[in-house]
Formats: sequence, C-alpha cells, structure tokens
Amino acid sequence: EIVMTQSPAFLSVSPGERATLSCRASQSVSSNLAWYQQKPGQAPRLLIYGASTRATGIPARFSGSGSGTEFTLTIDSLQSEDFAVYYCQQYNNWPPITFGPGTKVDIK
Amino acid sequence: QVQLVESGGGVVPPGGSLRLSCAGSGFTFSGHSMNWVRQAPGKGLECVAIISDDGNIAFYADSVKGRFTISRDNSKSSLFLQMTGLRAEDTAIYYCAKDPGGPYLPLYYFESWGQGTLVTVSS
Repeated sequence: EIVMTQSPAFLSVSPGERATLSCRASQSVSSNLAWYQQKPGQAPRLLIYGASTRATGIPARFSGSGSGTEFTLTIDSLQSEDFAVYYCQQYNNWPPITFGPGTKVDIK
Repeated sequence: QVQLVESGGGVVPPGGSLRLSCAGSGFTFSGHSMNWVRQAPGKGLECVAIISDDGNIAFYADSVKGRFTISRDNSKSSLFLQMTGLRAEDTAIYYCAKDPGGPYLPLYYFESWGQGTLVTVSS
C-alpha cells in the first residue's frame, strides 16, 4: 500500500498571501495524483488531477506541481473562500486508492 | 449538471446491517466507474469500494472486505452499498463519488461527489 503524507498539518495564512502545501508518497506514483478541497459540512471538491491539471471551474490561483514522490499545491493570493482542508490522493497503485491525512489552511 | 444523491444512512447497532443508495443524474451513469468514500467524524478520507461501469468488477478496502458489497443498477442510474457486520469504526459519512474516466477506462480519482449520508454504529 502506498502511504501518503502531507505537511504541514496546519497552515495559518493571511488573506492575499500565498499558501504552499506538500504531499509525499511512500513510493513513486508518477503523475497520478489529485488534490481535493473540503470545507466544513461539505463534500470534498476536486481541484487538481494528473498532479498539475486544474479541474473544471477551478480558479487559476490554484496550481499543482511535482511527480514521482513529491508534490506541491500552491494557492496564490488566498481568498476567504479558500480556507479549508486540502487532501492529496494517489491513483497510480491500487487497490487501495489512498489519501493523505490533510492540511488545514486557516486564517492568520 | 452532475448530481449524486445518497440516502439510507442512520443509526444501527453493532453487528447490524444497512443499505446505502446513490441516485445519479446529469450524466451517462452506465459509462462511469463509481465509488463509495467514507469519512469518520473529524478524520480523513477512505475509499471503501469501487465498481466498474458494467458492474462486473469490484474492489474493496481491507477494512470492509467480506462485510460490504457494492452494486449498481444502470437501468435506474443507481449505486448501492450493502453493509453487514457493522462495527463502531464504520461510523462515518459515506459519499458516492463519480470516476471521470470513460467506459472500461476508469481513472480512479473522484470528479464529482454527493453530499453524503451519515452512518452511526452504536448500541
């Protein structure tokens, strides 16, 4: 099973600043990595797939990068609606499909 | 637009059974693999079951293997999760999620999600 880790667990950011979130896989997942955003009381929403492709309707301030075992989600100029929990998920080696434990981005 | 609506959650005692349903609309249901993903209270996400677009292939997380069965009825655009032998650790919100891949070409990430249905296992 591929184990996904995310850092930091918590990130405090001021509105308008940049947030950089990291995701690491225990072995290579190539570019088969997705990012999701989840707000309280809501279902997750797909942000990024293929490590760097934005899903339909996702603003350009969200960008993904990386391949292999190291990945980054960058949120430029954080807006109030971006404060949420972010999960990465690998879909290269399955079953099982595995998620990271999440990074909570809150207001500084 | 794509809509996924789960139902069937509730409170069940340990060892009990429950059947979840998910109604899909706004897309060609029979053309996509479908999934159940759960989230325990205050915890992360776990994909517990996957079913192919034609319903012939299913995968399960080790945590539910032998206790849960995923199925679908493409004629009714519906997805199901039959849960038996429920345990306290199965307490979670269960989400129905759509794979973006086409027929016989699943991609194994989750493009669209329902709002979830809460399952509570408690005596």
